[in-house]
Amino acid sequence: AQSVTQLGSHVSVSEGALVLLRCNYSSSVPPYLFWYVQYPNQGLQLLLKYTSAATLVKGINGFEAEFKKSETSFHLTKPSAHMSDAAEYFCAVSDPPTQGGSEKLVFGKGTKLTVNP
Amino acid sequence: DTGVSQDPRHKITKRGQNVTFRCDPISEHNRLYWYRQTLGQGPEFLTYFQNEAQLEKSRLLSDRFSAERPKGSFSTLEIQRTEQGDSAMYLCASSPGTGFYEQYFGPGTRLTVT
Repeated sequence: AQSVTQLGSHVSVSEGALVLLRCNYSSSVPPYLFWYVQYPNQGLQLLLKYTSAATLVKGINGFEAEFKKSETSFHLTKPSAHMSDAAEYFCAVSDPPTQGGSEKLVFGKGTKLTVNP
Repeated sequence: DTGVSQDPRHKITKRGQNVTFRCDPISEHNRLYWYRQTLGQGPEFLTYFQNEAQLEKSRLLSDRFSAERPKGSFSTLEIQRTEQGDSAMYLCASSPGTGFYEQYFGPGTRLTVT
């Protein structure tokens, strides 16, 4: 069974500082991995995804993540935090697409990012 | 493209009542998903439709829950005899098809059972 562990339910950084949100996964097959962001009272928006191509994935709003198979990790980073980055971030895993497969997402519990001025 | 819409956005109901939520996916998206998100948790998969066919259901989807997508367009999720443990955000997502297209999420319906 697949699972996702996000270390740190709350992360606080200063504006302009590095953002690092940690995600480790467990999967019996080569996984597809995702980071989503959720702003208050809104749905989830995809930041980036890893689908077995390049291990360093660039996403929207300056975020990127690196797939490390040996560490079963997919940490999310941004060099310089902005106030508008304050939100909740979810890492998710899924099986690769197969005929008839649902491609459902299994999410971690989320990390709430606070950006201090 | 107006995005995924969900109705209502908020629902307060008394324990034992039935509730129904609606999801309108992005036009021509043939895949539709329902997830449930409780406080402090990530979304959990409930069920999945390919066009009008419900192809997968989570064991979280008890007998009191039923979902339909009658014409392969909008979907409804009904909860019968609601319990306080049903209080959660119910999220709908759609995607164009097989091959790991992005799942586009709606804003969710927040259910409170009193």
